Amino acid sequence: ILNVEQSPQSLHVQEGDSTNFTCSFPSSNFYALHWYRWETAKSPEALFVMTLNGDEKKKGRISATLNTKEGYSYLYIKGSQPEDSATYLCAFPNPTGGGNKLTFGTGTQLKVEL
Amino acid sequence: ETGVTQTPRHLVMGMTNKKSLKCEQHLGHNAMYWYKQSAKKPLELMFVYNFKEQTENNSVPSRFSPECPNSSHLFLHLHTLQPEDSALYLCASSPGTALRGYTFGSGTRLTVV
Repeated sequence: ILNVEQSPQSLHVQEGDSTNFTCSFPSSNFYALHWYRWETAKSPEALFVMTLNGDEKKKGRISATLNTKEGYSYLYIKGSQPEDSATYLCAFPNPTGGGNKLTFGTGTQLKVEL
Repeated sequence: ETGVTQTPRHLVMGMTNKKSLKCEQHLGHNAMYWYKQSAKKPLELMFVYNFKEQTENNSVPSRFSPECPNSSHLFLHLHTLQPEDSALYLCASSPGTALRGYTFGSGTRLTVV
């Protein structure tokens, strides 16, 4: 059983604050690490797929880093806005056997308040 | 419109009913998935289809029966469910490689009474 852990479970920040959260995953048999953003009443949306140790990806005010040797990834949000309120999920893929099976963490629920 | 269409959005069914969930994608993806999300739990993989062949059944009870007639359509047939099966059921598709993300449907909120 793969263990993908995210912390914190939830986070309340004020508008304009910068914040970050963590995803821990197995450091062996690494293929990639996925980040998704899931707003209430919407579909989860892919943010990043990270593959290389030391990789950093950016999308607007959101960025992510990856450390495959120690098995963690950080997601950063700079200058949080209310529209950033969502649950952020990381997922660890296993593509063996056909298709791409993702093991998800429980997510970090972010609430940005005015 | 996310590219993956899932119907119905909400479903209430009795324990003796039979119903089906439908998922459709025209993104050219070869892999399709059913996930379940129960309260306070992570998304849990149920089934994987790759080029319309089932490649994963994650020990799902037989009261859940998937069907994949072609690479664009995926069904989940439900019969004699239990109240504890009440959950959000999400369909997703992907190119099937670990290097590409999923596209999710909007989900079906299922309540078993």
